[in-house]
Parts: sequence; C-alpha cells; structure tokens
Amino acid sequence: GIQVEQSPPDLILQEGANSTLRCNFSDSVNNLQWFHQNPWGQLINLFYIPSGTKQNGRLSATTVATERYSLLYISSSQTTDSGVYFCAVGRTGGFKTIFGAGTRLFVKA
Amino acid sequence: DTEVTQTPKHLVMGMTNKKSLKCEQHMGHRAMYWYKQKAKKPPELMFVYSYEKLSINESVPSRFSPECPNSSLLNLHLHALQPEDSALYLCASNYPGGPQHFGDGTRLSIL
Repeated sequence: GIQVEQSPPDLILQEGANSTLRCNFSDSVNNLQWFHQNPWGQLINLFYIPSGTKQNGRLSATTVATERYSLLYISSSQTTDSGVYFCAVGRTGGFKTIFGAGTRLFVKA
Repeated sequence: DTEVTQTPKHLVMGMTNKKSLKCEQHMGHRAMYWYKQKAKKPPELMFVYSYEKLSINESVPSRFSPECPNSSLLNLHLHALQPEDSALYLCASNYPGGPQHFGDGTRLSIL
C-alpha cells in the first residue's frame, strides 16, 4: 500500500515564526488533504490539494504530484496553530484515506 | 461548530454493555466513514459506507457493528468491548473523492 511520511515529527516555534511541513508519499495519488487536529481532538480540513498551490490566510499548501510530495506553509504562527498536522492521501475510485503519522506543532507565546 | 455531528461526546461503558455511537451530516455527502484514533496516533479507518452500502471493512472485530440507516446517518453499535478499544472515534463524510469533513468525535472509555 501507499506509504506516507511526514516531517518533522515535532516542531516548536516562537509565536510569529514561519514554518514548512513536508509530506512524502510512495505512489501516485489522486487526492491529498492536510488536516489540523487541535488539542481538543477536533480534526479540521485545511486543504484539499491533489496538485498545485492554494492559500488560505496565513496558510498555504503546494503539492507536486509528479515528485510525490506536498508542503504546508504556516506564516506568522500563532499559539492557536498548535496541534497535530496530518497529511492524508487517497486514490480516485477508492475510499481508503491513508494518513501520515503527523507533525506535532507547539507555538510558544 | 462542525457540519458533521457526533453523539455522545463522551461515553464510559463496561465490557458487558451495549451502546451506540451516532453520526449525522446534512451536506448531501454520499460517503461516510468511521475512524478509530488512539492517543498520539493518526486516525485508522474502520468502515466506509458509499451510497448507504458498506464499501470497506478494515477487518474490524465483530464487536463493532456499523449501520447506515439513510444517507445522512451512520451508527456504530458496540458490544462486549475490551479495554484496548478505548479511543477517540471519529466520523467523517464527503462526496466520493472529495475533501473529508470530520465530526468532533466520541471519546470512549471501557472499564
């Protein structure tokens, strides 16, 4: 099956700093999502980005499907950005969504 | 507030009890999912319903029994659970192939 690797596993930032999270996947995929899970367990869909670049406020994401990776950029980080960021991939026609192990982010005030 | 509603938010049950988790969405999505998440781990897929038919069962023990009464509702019936089944249970929905929307989850503790 498809393997999904996320890096770094843990990240500590000072409020206001920028960061880049990476997701590598081992085979071709037709959909890719980035999620944020807050400390209360809520899992929020940040981006649905099988290819290309999208931006939403301080967050942006880029997926280069031909090279099998995606990047999530967080700019001017805030304490509310703390939590776990998951990358999840899947194939068209299949319902199986495969999650990476996540990047655990802590933003210090 | 999420568009996928799960009840209850918390559940404590004994190993001999029978209980049910409920999930509801009104976005017109035709695929609904149950995931199990242990602490510090990613969500693990349990079941997928597509157009109210069971599409995926990831070899889940029979003490977990899913049900999809209609396109908006998804239940997970629990019976004779084990302590290792304590976890966060997440429901999600989407148009097949589209972005998934998750509920807030049910935190389940088995005594």
